[in-house]
Amino acid sequence: LAKTTQPISMDSYEGQEVNITCSHNNIATNDYITWYQQFPSQGPRFIIQGYKTKVTNEVASLFIPADRKSSTLSLPRVSLSDTAVYYCLVGRMDSSYKLIFGSGTRLLVRP
Amino acid sequence: NAGVTQTPKFRVLKTGQSMTLLCAQDMNHEYMYWYRQDPGMGLRLIHYSVGEGTTAKGEVPDGYNVSRLKKQNFLLGLESAAPSQTSVYFCASWEDEQYFGPGTRLTVT
Repeated sequence: LAKTTQPISMDSYEGQEVNITCSHNNIATNDYITWYQQFPSQGPRFIIQGYKTKVTNEVASLFIPADRKSSTLSLPRVSLSDTAVYYCLVGRMDSSYKLIFGSGTRLLVRP
Repeated sequence: NAGVTQTPKFRVLKTGQSMTLLCAQDMNHEYMYWYRQDPGMGLRLIHYSVGEGTTAKGEVPDGYNVSRLKKQNFLLGLESAAPSQTSVYFCASWEDEQYFGPGTRLTVT
């Protein structure tokens, strides 16, 4: 399973764009990259998933370079409610998909 | 459609007691997972299941047992609880994306 490395914490201000980068140097050919968000006392919530290039949905964008050894979650114009822990996971979309979580990145959005 | 539900929400056990945590999903998902999350830490995978009647060990399986007799249910058992098992336990099911339950806060004294 590919190990991921993320910054432990990040600070931002309301209205700014936040980019959180995840390193996964030994990602396998069949691995997908998935990001989750977790608020205190709640289970993680799926944000976005991708395999290569760029993926965008209504809440975030995911940028994956050609070598796929890293990925960047981009949150446009964050608000106070985006304060949470963000996890980057890599894994195959099959029966071996164990979904191993790392320590995540604690994002604090200030007024 | 309730998604993933967990029973109970809170529980206090004495060392050596046993209990079973129940996870239920109504989305007909094949894959289900049990995680534990200690304060300030990420989630650690205890056991998982890729279908009815099958289970497999995750990162931290010791001290836990699981069963998946029905597709919609995934049970996590603690045969002899220890203080080190004090944690928040999350269940999840997966198909395209992972859906998590609200968690069970377990304290072992």
